[in-house]
Amino acid sequence: ILNVEQSPQSLHVQEGDSTNFTCSFPSSNFYALHWYRWETAKSPEALFVMTLNGDEKKKGRISATLNTKEGYSYLYIKGSQPEDSATYLCAFGPDDKIIFGKGTRLHILP
Amino acid sequence: DAGITQSPRHKVTETGTPVTLRCHQTENHRYMYWYRQDPGHGLRLIHYSYGVKDTDKGEVSDGYSVSRSKTEDFLLTLESATSSQTSVYFCAAALTGQGTTEAFFGQGTRLTVV
Repeated sequence: ILNVEQSPQSLHVQEGDSTNFTCSFPSSNFYALHWYRWETAKSPEALFVMTLNGDEKKKGRISATLNTKEGYSYLYIKGSQPEDSATYLCAFGPDDKIIFGKGTRLHILP
Repeated sequence: DAGITQSPRHKVTETGTPVTLRCHQTENHRYMYWYRQDPGHGLRLIHYSYGVKDTDKGEVSDGYSVSRSKTEDFLLTLESATSSQTSVYFCAAALTGQGTTEAFFGQGTRLTVV
């Protein structure tokens, strides 16, 4: 069974604060690691796809890192804004599948 | 968004009836996926396709079958719907395999089995 674990399950952050959450995945048979942002009543949208150990990607205030040897990735949000409220999904790409974690639900407090 | 459309968007059906959900994409993505979304479970992979007529099982495939006769269409069939299959179903498509490119998602289909 291929498990993608995300923590924490839910997170409340004050507006303006920075935060991060974790995704862990099997380090064997690794091909790619994805991060998606999923707003309520919408469909998931990709933030990053990372394939190489040590990859770091950035999009505005959001960035991600990847460690394939130990099987984890971090997503960082700098200076949280109300529009960052969403569920953040991590997904792992073994073979031709894309397996998702259960997500981290981020709530930004005004 | 890779032009992915799902139909129907909402459906209510009776226990024991067969149901087919359709996913249509316009960007010639080779890989397509069906997921179900349930509270506490996130997105779980039902079946996926790596080309025309090439499909394989995901994590929760029991009670479901799929077909892909054309690149653009990926059908999910519930052979005999049960209440446990009440869920929101998402289709996704990706250009390459092994998860090396992002997946684009459809809008979802809310299925209720009564």
